[in-house]
Amino acid sequence: DTEVTQTPKHLVMGMTNKKSLKCEQHMGHRAMYWYKQKAKKPPELMFVYSYEKLSINESVPSRFSPECPNSSLLNLHLHALQPEDSALYLCASSQDSGGGAAETQYFGPGTRLLVL
Amino acid sequence: KQEVTQIPAALSVPEGENLVLNCSFTDSAIYNLQWFRQDPGKGLTSLLLIQSSQREQTSGRLNASLDKSSGRSTLYIAASQPGDSATYLCAVSSAGNQFYFGTGTSLTVIP
Repeated sequence: DTEVTQTPKHLVMGMTNKKSLKCEQHMGHRAMYWYKQKAKKPPELMFVYSYEKLSINESVPSRFSPECPNSSLLNLHLHALQPEDSALYLCASSQDSGGGAAETQYFGPGTRLLVL
Repeated sequence: KQEVTQIPAALSVPEGENLVLNCSFTDSAIYNLQWFRQDPGKGLTSLLLIQSSQREQTSGRLNASLDKSSGRSTLYIAASQPGDSATYLCAVSSAGNQFYFGTGTSLTVIP
């Protein structure tokens, strides 16, 4: 099973709403990632979890709050978003051997978020 | 900070043609380089991964090369097909599970 699943596929929310994006993988990967991708742009790294610990936070606003409840799940909690946060949010995972060398990343299909 | 650039930004070729996509990066201290394809509105599909100690990788009609010292990688697609139409992205990884994506090449293969 080399699949990363993401729910929901689409999400429309107002600026005062609270919602969560979910990501799941069962490949035994210990590194999980959140990326944000705007139209016709490459993905931008937001957060990295390694062995359920937050290892990278690329200066993301606090209205985005990641959570890694266990090694298979990754959540992104959203609160008080702005219209400019509308984008495709991609989750990925990779093996993390701990030697510093990142392995192949596997991506989910993404959640398309629209903030009104 | 690592900067990754892809040339050309867009490419249109007739079916059957061989083509080369280019990726360049500014910091040669990478662990590996990965090529992806992305269909419109979809996630990324991994095509090839080249470790920093390797020079090339092949998968079917795809061949990726890596010249770490000059900061360059190429993706060669043989006998292109309309189904190859997509955006192709390269990404380099460095310490701490950091991945940096290139700007992408949008490929159209005309039947």
